[in-house]
Amino acid sequence: NAGVTQTPKFQVLKTGQSMTLQCAQDMNHEYMSWYRQDPGMGLRLIHYSVGAGITDQGEVPNGYNVSRSTTEDFPLRLLSAAPSQTSVYFCASSRSGLAGVIQETQYFGPGTRLLVL
Amino acid sequence: RKEVEQDPGPFNVPEGATVAFNCTYSNSASQSFFWYRQDCRKEPKLLMSVYSSGNEDGRFTAQLNRASQYISLLIRDSKLSDSATYLCVVNRGSTLGRLYFGRGTQLTVWP
Repeated sequence: NAGVTQTPKFQVLKTGQSMTLQCAQDMNHEYMSWYRQDPGMGLRLIHYSVGAGITDQGEVPNGYNVSRSTTEDFPLRLLSAAPSQTSVYFCASSRSGLAGVIQETQYFGPGTRLLVL
Repeated sequence: RKEVEQDPGPFNVPEGATVAFNCTYSNSASQSFFWYRQDCRKEPKLLMSVYSSGNEDGRFTAQLNRASQYISLLIRDSKLSDSATYLCVVNRGSTLGRLYFGRGTQLTVWP
């Protein structure tokens, strides 16, 4: 089991560029989510998905898009990068999903460090 | 008001010390509670869930007070390897999968 994997580990973008952060899990988890972590702010939820084909917004969704075409993958797209999106991005997954089970342990990927100039 | 509030510290304690962290949450409908640990520049990992009756895992004890909306983590006999940031995490429950993280409390254990 690789668990949750994220690529790339590091990325530098110029303002206005677009990119996709990749996230994959091999644990057959229904629930996947994206967080960003900024100094002094803690982790904030960007988008989440409770199953393939279903996504919803979190706390800070503006500037980000997601899709969930398979159980395994949950990419995060930055359409037009801004310096305010400089952050560390974590993807996470867990078994909770459509069944309505209360959230269980979330497994996090190693993170992507993004710098927008 | 933030969903989850934690004292950011830092806490600096010698090896063998007992240290306690506190956390408060704002939404009384919250249903699940956790402590996560995050090492420098790494991903958060579950340390332990927090149950209403309180629970212990080795040197770690977690307590929940629903009336006061307060969660605590006690670490006994601190080790150097306990140095990390401890994140208080709350699931409101009504919004499936919506975890709310505190900013974290930084702990350094010195020899």
